[in-house]
Amino acid sequence: DVKVTQSSRYLVKRTGEKVFLECVQDMDHENMFWYRQDPGLGLRLIYFSYDVKMKEKGDIPEGYSVSREKKERFSLILESASTNQTSMYLCASTLGHSYEQYFGPGTRLTVT
Amino acid sequence: DQQVKQNSPSLSVQEGRISILNCDYTNSMFDYFLWYKKYPAEGPTFLISISSIKDKNEDGRFTVFLNKSAKHLSLHIVPSQPGDSAVYFCAASAGSGNTGKLIFGQGTTLQVKP
Repeated sequence: DVKVTQSSRYLVKRTGEKVFLECVQDMDHENMFWYRQDPGLGLRLIYFSYDVKMKEKGDIPEGYSVSREKKERFSLILESASTNQTSMYLCASTLGHSYEQYFGPGTRLTVT
Repeated sequence: DQQVKQNSPSLSVQEGRISILNCDYTNSMFDYFLWYKKYPAEGPTFLISISSIKDKNEDGRFTVFLNKSAKHLSLHIVPSQPGDSAVYFCAASAGSGNTGKLIFGQGTTLQVKP
């Protein structure tokens, strides 16, 4: 079974802090994604990566950056956390030619 | 601009009856559609999909219908069970090469009452 893990289930940070969210997949998937889920807005794509060191902006990249130094690991970085970044963050991965994305359990981030 | 829309935020049905979840899209380039199910405090899990060359795909209690002319798809769950209570997201792909990028709808919360 594909396994996508996220470093934390719950995280509380203060405004202005730098926040790192880590995602690891164990199936040698080429593509990895970061989403945020907010009530009434569904899943919105922040960034995705289709190869090591490659990244593309999604629909809402402002305030975020990403890093993919190894194929199995995709990190989401909040350079200076703000209260409007309080959300559920979901990581996903998929094989190069597959549409089916496998999701991690999510990280509930609260910025106070 | 919301390219994939689920206009019903919630749906409540009785156990044993049919649940119908709807999804509309605007981009005629979408060629593959998926439904995901999400329980609280868990990540979404893939449920069923359909290619634009088909108009129906069935998997056990779950059937997805695609009406390309209306740019509409629906998920039917028959019979509904209490364990089906979850948030359901539809998603679409515009054949994004090998990146697997999907556009998700807002989600519909299904409650199945015993």
